[in-house]
Amino acid sequence: GESVGLHLPTLSVQEGDNSIINCAYSNSASDYFIWYKQESGKGPQFIIDIRSNMDKRQGQRVTVLLNKTVKHLSLQIAATQPGDSAVYFCAECRSTDSWGKLQFGAGTQVVVTP
Amino acid sequence: EAGVAQSPRYKIIEKRQSVAFWCNPISGHATLYWYQQILGQGPKLLIQFQNNGVVDDSQLPKDRFSAERLKGVDSTLKIQPAKLEDSAVYLCASSPLTGRSPLHFGNGTRLTVT
Repeated sequence: GESVGLHLPTLSVQEGDNSIINCAYSNSASDYFIWYKQESGKGPQFIIDIRSNMDKRQGQRVTVLLNKTVKHLSLQIAATQPGDSAVYFCAECRSTDSWGKLQFGAGTQVVVTP
Repeated sequence: EAGVAQSPRYKIIEKRQSVAFWCNPISGHATLYWYQQILGQGPKLLIQFQNNGVVDDSQLPKDRFSAERLKGVDSTLKIQPAKLEDSAVYLCASSPLTGRSPLHFGNGTRLTVT
């Protein structure tokens, strides 16, 4: 069935480098995408979101890119820090579903090495 | 502002027993969600409330799961009887609007069914 998925289960990044986490989605009806960060023992924490009428959105040290042509979403983290070590989830919301019915991907574990 | 509060943090029960989880959303948040997160997977929506009414419970296994939000604030999620496959983290989330506002998650209750 249609789903949100991630290309890499684990990403190892050296401290100070930039991280790129990728996500593929298959439902063109999805119109809202969100990235969440989940640290061990905690709930998902909102990072950044983007609507389907945008290609790029920037936050503090993070940038989300949306390529609707190939149904691809990415999260870029600049100057990765040890505190960025966590599992990152992309999630989609479809306009035909009730709001809050997020479809999460399986997650990417980001490990920041010194 | 205070975050979404959940209790207990951990619960271990035997199969066929019953269990209940409690959630107190962020003050003023009209919408409340229960998500199930199985180890190694992304969260999956179980049920959504708008004030004290159910908006979406299409993915709730109603033969054993029930949830209520009687006064439109706190919510409880119950499982009776529990199965081994119910072992997961149960996350509560809330949002202030019915529009596209990011969900705020609690830290969850980790349930282990033996």
